[in-house]
Amino acid sequence: DIVMTQSPDSLAVSLGERATINCKSSQSVLYSSNNKNYLAWYQQKPGQPPKLLISWASTRESGVPDRFSGSGSGTDFTLTISSLQAEDVAVYHCQQYYSTSFTFGPGTKVDIK
Amino acid sequence: EVQLVESGGGLVQPGGSLRLSCAGSGFTFNSYWMYWVRQAPGKGLVWVSRMNSDGSITNYADSVKGRFTISRDNAKNTLYLRMNSLTVEDTAVYYCVRGRYCSSPTSCHTPFDYWGQGTLVTISS
Repeated sequence: DIVMTQSPDSLAVSLGERATINCKSSQSVLYSSNNKNYLAWYQQKPGQPPKLLISWASTRESGVPDRFSGSGSGTDFTLTISSLQAEDVAVYHCQQYYSTSFTFGPGTKVDIK
Repeated sequence: EVQLVESGGGLVQPGGSLRLSCAGSGFTFNSYWMYWVRQAPGKGLVWVSRMNSDGSITNYADSVKGRFTISRDNAKNTLYLRMNSLTVEDTAVYYCVRGRYCSSPTSCHTPFDYWGQGTLVTISS
């Protein structure tokens, strides 16, 4: 199975400041035939189900604010919140959908400093 | 509006069984691969099982293989998860999830675009 890791486990950022979350896969999730990274980011607020934010490593879902961006390729990926808002307090999960194990990272908790 | 509504969770003794249901609406249910994902209290997300659009293909996580059975009734727009031989490690919120549309009926690797609110399964004596 592909193992997903995330860093840091948690971070606290001041309102309006940048938050950066890293995700690493134990093997590449880049499919060479279509040059797509099979990597998604989800946001999970307390007491709620996860919400898909970004797919294919960098494609923002409809309605997701443009302060959220995804980058990276192969095995190393980053979710950036360019200017943290109060409503962004949540746990953020990365997930690979390259292999049928569909593994998730352990999550990164983002709080306000 | 896409909606996924789970039901059937509850408290069960170790070794017991439970069947979860997920009613889908607001989309063409029989066109989508469907998934179950679980989350133990305070823990991360774990994919459990999936089924293709016509019910002919299933996949399971190793941790549930042989104990859980996924099925669907497309006439009722409903996904099921039959869970047998339950252990305390199966305690979790179980989410019904829709995979983003893919045209292939035999292979699908797309992100999970809609999630239900989840149903809590507690295994305890």
